[in-house]
Amino acid sequence: KNEVEQSPQNLTAQEGEFITINCSYSVGISALHWLQQHPGGGIVSLFMLSSGKKKHGRLIATINIQEKHSSLHITASHPRDSAVYICAVSFTGTASKLTFGTGTRLQVTL
Amino acid sequence: DTGVSQNPRHKITKRGQNVTFRCDPISEHNRLYWYRQTLGQGPEFLTYFQNEAQLEKSRLLSDRFSAERPKGSFSTLEIQRTEQGDSAMYLCASSSSGTVREKLFFGSGTQLSVL
Repeated sequence: KNEVEQSPQNLTAQEGEFITINCSYSVGISALHWLQQHPGGGIVSLFMLSSGKKKHGRLIATINIQEKHSSLHITASHPRDSAVYICAVSFTGTASKLTFGTGTRLQVTL
Repeated sequence: DTGVSQNPRHKITKRGQNVTFRCDPISEHNRLYWYRQTLGQGPEFLTYFQNEAQLEKSRLLSDRFSAERPKGSFSTLEIQRTEQGDSAMYLCASSSSGTVREKLFFGSGTQLSVL
């Protein structure tokens, strides 16, 4: 069964803290996406990666293909980072159809 | 705005009624996806189109659900004889096929409430 698991489900941090969200998956993938969803539904793609590491501003995403694991890091967190962060994967042979994790709800307080 | 557009943003309907949602993808994107998301869960795949062809449908898509993309541009998702369990956020996404690793762009969704 193709599964995607995220941890933690909920995360509260104080402004400035370093945050890590984890994602693990069960079988081979062609790509992994990190997405951000704000209240009201809109989803924004943050990263798409199939190997190594990507960085964009204060966000860093890494993936370890052998261990079937990815992490999303937020440095110097800010209240505007508060959102649900979702990991989604394209399992090998399923084109771009994504299988999503249940998301990590992040709340950053002052 | 050249992003993915979905209409309506919200729909409240009574059980048993039919509803139709529309998605306008980014104009040059040939792939279009429908997902459904319930509270506290990640989105679940419903169906996808490449141009006007519907290439895959999830088992979640009962025979009350039908999706079309008649000219390979906008798409509609119709739910007939709605049930309370259909209440969810319906998300549309589009991409441009090239490899299996293309980036997806999402609309803001249509929130359906079935009373």
